Amino acid sequence: IAGITQAPTSQILAAGRRMTLRCTQDMRHNAMYWYRQDLGLGLRLIHYSNTAGTTGKGEVPDGYSVSRANTDDFPLTLASAVPSQTSVYFCASSDTFVWAGAVTDTQYFGPGTRLTVL
Amino acid sequence: QKEVEQDPGPLSVPEGAIVSLNCTYSNSAFQYFMWYRQYSRKGPELLMYTYSSGNKEDGRFTAQVDKSSKYISLFIRDSQPSDSATYLCASKETSGSRLTFGEGTQLTVNP
Repeated sequence: IAGITQAPTSQILAAGRRMTLRCTQDMRHNAMYWYRQDLGLGLRLIHYSNTAGTTGKGEVPDGYSVSRANTDDFPLTLASAVPSQTSVYFCASSDTFVWAGAVTDTQYFGPGTRLTVL
Repeated sequence: QKEVEQDPGPLSVPEGAIVSLNCTYSNSAFQYFMWYRQYSRKGPELLMYTYSSGNKEDGRFTAQVDKSSKYISLFIRDSQPSDSATYLCASKETSGSRLTFGEGTQLTVNP
């Protein structure tokens, strides 16, 4: 079982170019997420999807778009990359379980994509 | 003000030391509290999960939540070089709400 895979591992991109970061999970989790991680700012949610066919905006969605055509894949697209999008991008998925009598969830993260926009 | 505040460190300790990692939060509605561990150039992995106030122990790790003071702690006993990583605290309001992360504390355990 691979869990969550992300591609590419790293990328250097010219400003203005379009880029799609790929994310695939094989755990059949309903919910998936995209985060960016920056020094001094921690992990910030970009977009999320509670189930296939639905998506939602997170804390920092501007300049990014996502789609969720099926359960396993959740690609993140930068339509026209800018240097401020230089970051490490993590995809995550979540599984639900019962805790203290309530249904809750925990997130599993992929290995990340290091993106540099010049 | 960030909803979850965490001292980024870095924190350096000798092997065998007891490590205390802390976060504060401002959202009174937070009920679920987690600690993630992130090794260099890897994704975060869930380490501890607690609900509401109280302690939870798992081997050398103890997570503590004090909702009255909005304080979250992670204690590592008999720390090992393999514990060297960045530790992120995270909180959320309900089972279906979004996670809010702290900035992370970089820990180095020296042999």
